[in-house]
Amino acid sequence: QSVLTQPPSVSAAPGQKVTIACSGTSSNVGKNYVSWYQQLPGTAPKLLIYDNNKRPSGIPDRFSGSKSGTSATLDITGLQTGDEADYYCGAWDTSLSAGVFGGGTKLTVL
Amino acid sequence: QLQMQESGPGLVRPSETLSLTCSVSGGSISSGAYYWGWIRQPPGKGLEWIGSVYYTGITYYNPSLKSRVTISVDTSKNQFSLRLTSGIATDTAVYYCARSMGVAPFDIWGQGTLVSVSS
Repeated sequence: QSVLTQPPSVSAAPGQKVTIACSGTSSNVGKNYVSWYQQLPGTAPKLLIYDNNKRPSGIPDRFSGSKSGTSATLDITGLQTGDEADYYCGAWDTSLSAGVFGGGTKLTVL
Repeated sequence: QLQMQESGPGLVRPSETLSLTCSVSGGSISSGAYYWGWIRQPPGKGLEWIGSVYYTGITYYNPSLKSRVTISVDTSKNQFSLRLTSGIATDTAVYYCARSMGVAPFDIWGQGTLVSVSS
């Protein structure tokens, strides 16, 4: 049982937009920055978004993040087949003094 | 370009200690801006944060693993290590080492190493 809650799967057609939600509590998402990771099959996770909405160098602006209260979202526009991957949200939990992740969302590009 | 590489046994017997080392190249582990962490992923499952260490030795651990985990740093070798005692089957996972900006998020990851706990 993950501390942060994500939908198990989402799907959309190429070129479309998809939104992945991440729900937490006042001690994690509500209080601290949220990050998002992309994990392609058989590879290590890759940082996509940090500090709620910032992109590391090299991440296309098709990927964007936002946060409101105890929920965060990852938007991916102009979907490509290469975007098929598992996506994880993460945050620091102040009450636990621990890092926490969501259970992951599998994106299928139909 | 900073790179990280995990190393250690791929098989651990139940009740024995799982020990892994992360070697950092292309940058100094003593850089004050970062923490160095371990994350694991059981086969077919999600990510679980194990813990993180600062170059001074300050550590944070996952409360669910705290009684069995030790993370240490060796600045002279530019390495940090994970020890997980009393191995059980549910410790079977791909173990990643990663760098974090503060205690989160993790911006650079190793490729991961699979550790199986089995007799």
